[in-house]
Amino acid sequence: DSGVTQTPKHLITATGQRVTLRCSPRSGDLSVYWYQQSLDQGLQFLIQYYNGEERAKGNILERFSAQQFPDLHSELNLSSLELGDSALYFCASSVGDTNYEQYFGPGTRLTVT
Amino acid sequence: GDSVTQMEGPVTLSEEAFLTINCTYTATGYPSLFWYVQYPGEGLQLLLKATKADDKGSNKGFEATYRKETTSFHLEKGSVQVSDSAVYFCALRNTGGFKTIFGAGTRLFVKA
Repeated sequence: DSGVTQTPKHLITATGQRVTLRCSPRSGDLSVYWYQQSLDQGLQFLIQYYNGEERAKGNILERFSAQQFPDLHSELNLSSLELGDSALYFCASSVGDTNYEQYFGPGTRLTVT
Repeated sequence: GDSVTQMEGPVTLSEEAFLTINCTYTATGYPSLFWYVQYPGEGLQLLLKATKADDKGSNKGFEATYRKETTSFHLEKGSVQVSDSAVYFCALRNTGGFKTIFGAGTRLFVKA
């Protein structure tokens, strides 16, 4: 158990819908990272927040957005969902904002039908 | 841009066989290198890391040496077990970098 929690574990929704994935980092960690893992694209970095502020952006679509709240939990919002958004979404956390070990959550499996 | 290339899987071995999973990278500067493992139904776990050239990372019988001259970080284990069956990801993070670049992953099956 990494100490990072993600909810829900599974999510099934229809195209065009909007969903919110939630992540709680390990106690004491200030950074949260979001990754998308799909069969064709592998593991892709989406975005990082550090202590409430956006720190780095990766291959995140404009339909996707994230935020980190004062209690340091983070939410990833996915809107206008397409079939190709079906994937595992992982959250990771670390103590600092650079060069710190990342601890991964168990992931949320999103299926868009 | 920075990238990581690792050998395609799946790799199928018998128990107690020797394991090598190749990983090469392209990066500017002096990256830190990592191996992560993902067991079925779980998130990624850091297996080992090396932060500078010639460093050897090791954990649970796995090891990898940071080779700057060949830009490689191959994962090895002398005697695999069925419980080592998982997907292994090679990754890099550049100095001062905010994001970690992952390879495509290599699935390992170990037969009893």
